[in-house]
Amino acid sequence: KNEVEQSPQNLTAQEGEFITINCSYSVGISALHWLQQHPGGGIVSLFMLSSGKKKHGRLIATINIQEKHSSLHITASHPRDSAVYICAVVIGGNQFYFGTGTSLTVIP
Amino acid sequence: DVKVTQSSRYLVKRTGEKVFLECVQDMDHENMFWYRQDPGLGLRLIYFSYDVKMKEKGDIPEGYSVSREKKERFSLILESASTNQTSMYLCASSLTIGELFFGEGSRLTVL
Repeated sequence: KNEVEQSPQNLTAQEGEFITINCSYSVGISALHWLQQHPGGGIVSLFMLSSGKKKHGRLIATINIQEKHSSLHITASHPRDSAVYICAVVIGGNQFYFGTGTSLTVIP
Repeated sequence: DVKVTQSSRYLVKRTGEKVFLECVQDMDHENMFWYRQDPGLGLRLIYFSYDVKMKEKGDIPEGYSVSREKKERFSLILESASTNQTSMYLCASSLTIGELFFGEGSRLTVL
């Protein structure tokens, strides 16, 4: 049973396109994280959300607690955005459950 | 700059060998985690610790043990490595309901 579902699994976009990655979860959570992993690299935290919306540069994350859904948007995508994006939910403060990730490739 | 440091980026071991993977964090986080990451399976929790000398089994603890003698250090031990333990191992730490910080990962190959 997977508490966290991400879509799409793979995504290819042209440079400059607006990108959306979706995350749905099935349980009550205390927070949701969006993480980024470049090929061969470690995982870095992009956002931690418990409500509403956050923005950092060209990245925007939103969460709808009632619908148990979050989205990560990338505006004006660039080849350096190519990475795996992972959604993770937090239950009870320190239990993390991860989606299997969305592999994004941005073509110049 | 906050840091989670894993002792080895790449290891090659033989079947049956004992393997130690060490992780140190400098953020005074109470929670520390060991995950393995395999293609198509995502991140799977092996063990986590919410305090010194405390540990909880994750989803796939079989074949692994852990040690947390000091708050900043969380070690993963493979008592007798097997080929199916070839994987990327990732350590992470967090405050409770806090941001999650990962180490760079340790890629283990068991021959």
